[in-house]
Amino acid sequence: GDSVTQMEGPVTLSEEAFLTINCTYTATGYPSLFWYVQYPGEGLQLLLKATKADDKGSNKGFEATYRKETTSFHLEKGSVQVSDSAVYFCALTGGSQGNLIFGKGTKLSVKP
Amino acid sequence: DAGITQSPRHKVTETGTPVTLRCHQTENHRYMYWYRQDPGHGLRLIHYSYGVKDTDKGEVSDGYSVSRSKTEDFLLTLESATSSQTSVYFCATLEAHGSSYEQYFGPGTRLTVT
Repeated sequence: GDSVTQMEGPVTLSEEAFLTINCTYTATGYPSLFWYVQYPGEGLQLLLKATKADDKGSNKGFEATYRKETTSFHLEKGSVQVSDSAVYFCALTGGSQGNLIFGKGTKLSVKP
Repeated sequence: DAGITQSPRHKVTETGTPVTLRCHQTENHRYMYWYRQDPGHGLRLIHYSYGVKDTDKGEVSDGYSVSRSKTEDFLLTLESATSSQTSVYFCATLEAHGSSYEQYFGPGTRLTVT
């Protein structure tokens, strides 16, 4: 079945460092891909998405490109801030009913 | 923000007792979902609904039932709670944007079964 694999954390970075969180997927068909962010004690918020190959999603300085040839959707940010500390989930659309299949999440901690 | 609220936000219950969690949305979205979040597992789909009285099972549906009598409300019931159902439960709704769509999540309910 469809699945998402993302790099295990936790990831600890200093402020202004470059961030990459790897995400690869296995899917039949052409899923949409998403990154969600979860701040402590809160629900998930959509960070960015891409709906077809070569699409680049971007938001709040984060970017990810839908790479069909490598089945990847890596999340990147050029300069992280302490406020980016959160858990990041990669996900894909898993069926015709719109449900999502999630990776296990990557916890990011950014130190001042 | 899809105006999703969940109640209760926190609950502690004993093994063997029934528990019902409520999800309420104000956006008139047709699709609604219940997920559970556990360390090392991400979020996993329990049940979903594609309309009033129309529901179906997800990946981890054993021990759970759902009901949807109104568009705005989606209830998740644990008929007889077990310690393995200690988790954080999230409700979500689906909004379509042309050929793409997004899920919006509620704030979650933290359930502890002792």
